[in-house]
Amino acid sequence: NAGVTQTPKFQVLKTGQSMTLQCAQDMNHNSMYWYRQDPGMGLRLIYYSASEGTTDKGEVPNGYNVSRLNKREFSLRLESAAPSQTSVYFCASGWKTSGGFRETQYFGPGTRLLVL
Amino acid sequence: SQQGEEDPQALSIQEGENATMNCSYKTSINNLQWYRQNSGRGLVHLILIRSNEREKHSGRLRVTLDTSKKSSSLLITASRAADTASYFCATAGGETSGSRLTFGEGTQLTVNP
Repeated sequence: NAGVTQTPKFQVLKTGQSMTLQCAQDMNHNSMYWYRQDPGMGLRLIYYSASEGTTDKGEVPNGYNVSRLNKREFSLRLESAAPSQTSVYFCASGWKTSGGFRETQYFGPGTRLLVL
Repeated sequence: SQQGEEDPQALSIQEGENATMNCSYKTSINNLQWYRQNSGRGLVHLILIRSNEREKHSGRLRVTLDTSKKSSSLLITASRAADTASYFCATAGGETSGSRLTFGEGTQLTVNP
């Protein structure tokens, strides 16, 4: 049971380049999330997917797109990277309860992205 | 803006002492969770307390929740050097946050051997 896996672990991009961050979970969770974490700050939600086939914007969606490929996989794409997108990106997954409130989330190890 | 705000931002104690971290939030919640993050790693869930609970224990962890003051505290008893990490509170539910978790900025705990 690998839990939540992310690839790549590290990436350096030049301004304007594009890339896709991959995330997969093997816990049969219906919800998946992408966060970014900047120095000295908590996590900010970029996009999330409450269930397969749905995606919604979070707190900081500008400059990003996502795809919920299937129940296991949720990718994050930067179409034209900017230095402001230098950050550590975390993918997470979890269950949505019948009441709609998020219970425990399980996090991947993170992707460290540097945009020059 | 962040729903949860932790206090203090940084805490340094000696091994064996207790560590207390506080979290305040702004809107009504369904539950509040505490997570731990070791340097360079992802977050790990520690404990969840629901809005109708006042106190919860898990091993050396004790969490309290005061919904009238919109605040929570995390107490780690008999701290160990291995407890050195950042600790985040996260809130779920409420009128403005929908059904998503909203994280605070974290408390950096250093436990000196």
